[in-house]
Amino acid sequence: EVQVVESGGGLIQPGGSLRLSCAASGFIVRDNYMSWVRQAPGKGLEWVSVIYSDGKTYYADSVKGRFTISRDTSGNTLYLEMNSLRAEDTAVYYCARDGREYDYSQYFYYYYMDVWGKGTTVTVSS
Amino acid sequence: QTVVTQEPSLSVSPGGTVTLTCGLSSGSVSSSHHPSWYQQTPGQAPRTLIHTTNVRFSGVPDRFSGYILGNKAALTITGARTDDESDYYCMLFMGSGISMFGGGTKLTVL
Repeated sequence: EVQVVESGGGLIQPGGSLRLSCAASGFIVRDNYMSWVRQAPGKGLEWVSVIYSDGKTYYADSVKGRFTISRDTSGNTLYLEMNSLRAEDTAVYYCARDGREYDYSQYFYYYYMDVWGKGTTVTVSS
Repeated sequence: QTVVTQEPSLSVSPGGTVTLTCGLSSGSVSSSHHPSWYQQTPGQAPRTLIHTTNVRFSGVPDRFSGYILGNKAALTITGARTDDESDYYCMLFMGSGISMFGGGTKLTVL
């Protein structure tokens, strides 16, 4: 069965660091695009970061320079390293495998989320 | 900064038809943004409905259809059911690896 399971969430003080993990089964992480999406309490979804199968990484402006997406090259796990955490980073963090398609008219790949985890909760508070 | 816009809330009667839209605070949405749509009920992970503007995801009934409506992306639900009552989010691919979600539409079926 294709699935992803997040872990690593918890309560952390402002300015602290946390690493989230996403264990995948039924597919190979490094062969896919993988994303992190978060949802603050009572708010909508926010795209956070993506790692392409070729290793390129991209971030939302709200986390750029503080968060790092990576993957375990020997295992089958995706990570999100979060530094300099702020109260506004409090959210449920979802890991997703992305479907990938090629736009032949504009010559780039794009993606969408196709397998979602259940999420892990991060609370940034003193 | 560009914002993806959605109706905050909509309502539909059981069996009725409703259209949700997804726009940009500046500019138009086109198929080049490769809109995707997601459904989320409270306390649950999102579920993928539509990708690449109009491609229904595996297992999604044909009551859900996506398309471009003028300068926005649209999701139409026909034959609305009570279990369609959810939050719906669109996502646009903005280029250079970046995606953006809309603020979501809370759909009430009553």
